[in-house]
Amino acid sequence: KNEVEQSPQNLTAQEGEFITINCSYSVGISALHWLQQHPGGGIVSLFMLSSGKKKHGRLIATINIQEKHSSLHITASHPRDSAVYICAVRSVTSGSRLTFGEGTQLTVNP
Amino acid sequence: GAVVSQHPSRVICKSGTSVKIECRSLDFQATTMFWYRQFPKKSLMLMATSNEGSKATYEQGVEKDKFLINHASLTLSTLTVTSAHPEDSSFYICSARRAGTSGGASYEQYFGPGTRLTVT
Repeated sequence: KNEVEQSPQNLTAQEGEFITINCSYSVGISALHWLQQHPGGGIVSLFMLSSGKKKHGRLIATINIQEKHSSLHITASHPRDSAVYICAVRSVTSGSRLTFGEGTQLTVNP
Repeated sequence: GAVVSQHPSRVICKSGTSVKIECRSLDFQATTMFWYRQFPKKSLMLMATSNEGSKATYEQGVEKDKFLINHASLTLSTLTVTSAHPEDSSFYICSARRAGTSGGASYEQYFGPGTRLTVT
């Protein structure tokens, strides 16, 4: 079992829909990252959080440390949101190293 | 914002040759840089961690003599793939951790755009 599990693996939505991507992890962490990878490969860091909730534009990230679970929400989705979304955790024993989930491929159709 | 660049973005080389990939932090100093490899439709795999002025720490299974890492300054790390082989073809991504910040922000990693290596 991977230390970081994401669901779903693939997600197709219609423009305007509310989207949720989930991340569960099995280790104690000091921080969790949500990353976005567009076709072509470049990675953008969306959020780093260790508790509670963060919001940036149409994106919202939440984390529940007790349940070892985080969610990434996209409101009013748009085709340009189509990308792979990756959850990564920094465990309390790993220093700066990140452990990555397999990613969720999101496709938003117009 | 913090920007990390990689050069080249795409390179094709012949088997047996060596290729160097640069990772630069453009507007901040990075004490630590990370090198990742990503296979198609797979997640990132950490290859090594490099700290400025010291030897890189390689992950298990990564050959340090094949993947030479140099972190000579606080803004530049290089990865050299020596005696390249077609199986080295992959997408290589670096990330940089900002120096001198405190608290949680000190662990923020900023990712480069990646380098697509094709060995023929």
